[in-house]
Amino acid sequence: GAVVSQHPSRVICKSGTSVKIECRSLDFQATTMFWYRQFPKQSLMLMATSNEGSKATYEQGVEKDKFLINHASLTLSTLTVTSAHPEDSSFYICSAREIGNSNQPQHFGDGTRLSIL
Amino acid sequence: AQTVTQSQPEMSVQEAETVTLSCTYDTSESDYYLFWYKQPPSRQMILVIRQEAYKQQNATENRFSVNFQKAAKSFSLKISDSQLGDAAMYFCAVNNAGNMLTFGGGTRLMVKP
Repeated sequence: GAVVSQHPSRVICKSGTSVKIECRSLDFQATTMFWYRQFPKQSLMLMATSNEGSKATYEQGVEKDKFLINHASLTLSTLTVTSAHPEDSSFYICSAREIGNSNQPQHFGDGTRLSIL
Repeated sequence: AQTVTQSQPEMSVQEAETVTLSCTYDTSESDYYLFWYKQPPSRQMILVIRQEAYKQQNATENRFSVNFQKAAKSFSLKISDSQLGDAAMYFCAVNNAGNMLTFGGGTRLMVKP
């Protein structure tokens, strides 16, 4: 079945560091990928919708200059947390939907646990 | 805007018994899908079951079934013959035409041996 690979799975870094997270669709093409954030014991909150070849659409309250999204190809979207601070520590999950299969559910990556010291 | 409400933060079930997780939603879409996802401690999101809103027949997947009441905007998940491996967070979700998912707050299911 369809697989979404998310890398890295775990990041621990100092405050002020920028962190890049990759989301790849391994056996299908995706014009649209989604980035979610999940704080402990909470639900997934959509941060932004990543569109191949165009600008991402950010949800209200999400700083686009803080969370840079690039969707340069049909199989790869990246989320860069710029100058990360402890309050950015969270679990970040991406998902992707296969082109032409609007009836199919999103496929999720395994997530990235980000810890900022 | 879409909203999803899971009124049970935690549920407990005895192994081999049946449990029902509640979910209500609100959406302005006429065509939408409903989902139940399972998130074990590994944090991986696993699709359990989905329901097309235009279908009246309730979806079933082995031990998992839903009770979809469209007029009431209710979408409960029934787990039969509960197993220890069913213990996890369960999230109800609805998507819109743009395939954006809105999740409920989640229900933690504990399975007692």
